[in-house]
Amino acid sequence: GESVGLHLPTLSVQEGDNSIINCAYSNSASDYFIWYKQESGKGPQFIIDIRSNMDKRQGQRVTVLLNKTVKHLSLQIAATQPGDSAVYFCAERSQGAGGTSYGKLTFGQGTILTVHP
Amino acid sequence: NAGVTQTPKFRVLKTGQSMTLLCAQDMNHEYMYWYRQDPGMGLRLIHYSVGEGTTAKGEVPDGYNVSRLKKQNFLLGLESAAPSQTSVYFCASTPNRRLSGELFFGEGSRLTVL
Repeated sequence: GESVGLHLPTLSVQEGDNSIINCAYSNSASDYFIWYKQESGKGPQFIIDIRSNMDKRQGQRVTVLLNKTVKHLSLQIAATQPGDSAVYFCAERSQGAGGTSYGKLTFGQGTILTVHP
Repeated sequence: NAGVTQTPKFRVLKTGQSMTLLCAQDMNHEYMYWYRQDPGMGLRLIHYSVGEGTTAKGEVPDGYNVSRLKKQNFLLGLESAAPSQTSVYFCASTPNRRLSGELFFGEGSRLTVL
């Protein structure tokens, strides 16, 4: 039978389209939200982060949006390319005791992005 | 700079055997972490260290031990491997930096326990 967690959300897009990957987070006390890209057989690579007191941050071809009201995070990739095909993870950095997180991150399940030429 | 280097990259163990994964970083980072990644799931924190000589438990520490005798190295040990520890293990590091959530990851160590 199927096991929870084995089937990741997937997103298929055509080359040149814009992609939007969504994530729900759980901890209202998190101070940073981060997006990582993981290609097959490799470690996660940092894409972009956003501080909890912001609602939008832009990078090169990527934009992260944060909606604290509904605890929702999204990553927008403009003009998606085949090289963007990967698993994308959102992560949150939670404040620990005394406001120190020691950089620890809690990761989401991931979304598989496939870009078709 | 090599960044974060993990050894070995692949290992097969029998149940009950022990082994150590080595993580080395050349970026002079204070914080280091060991995560495990299972199919279809995100990364889960096993143990972490905020400096030489210090370690702390993460989300899934049972069955693992760690040591950080030198700032650049963080070792993950399995004293008696179990099939449930079959996973891909990632080491990460970061400087003590409040204004960023970035971690720097190694390429991973794939462990199979038979």
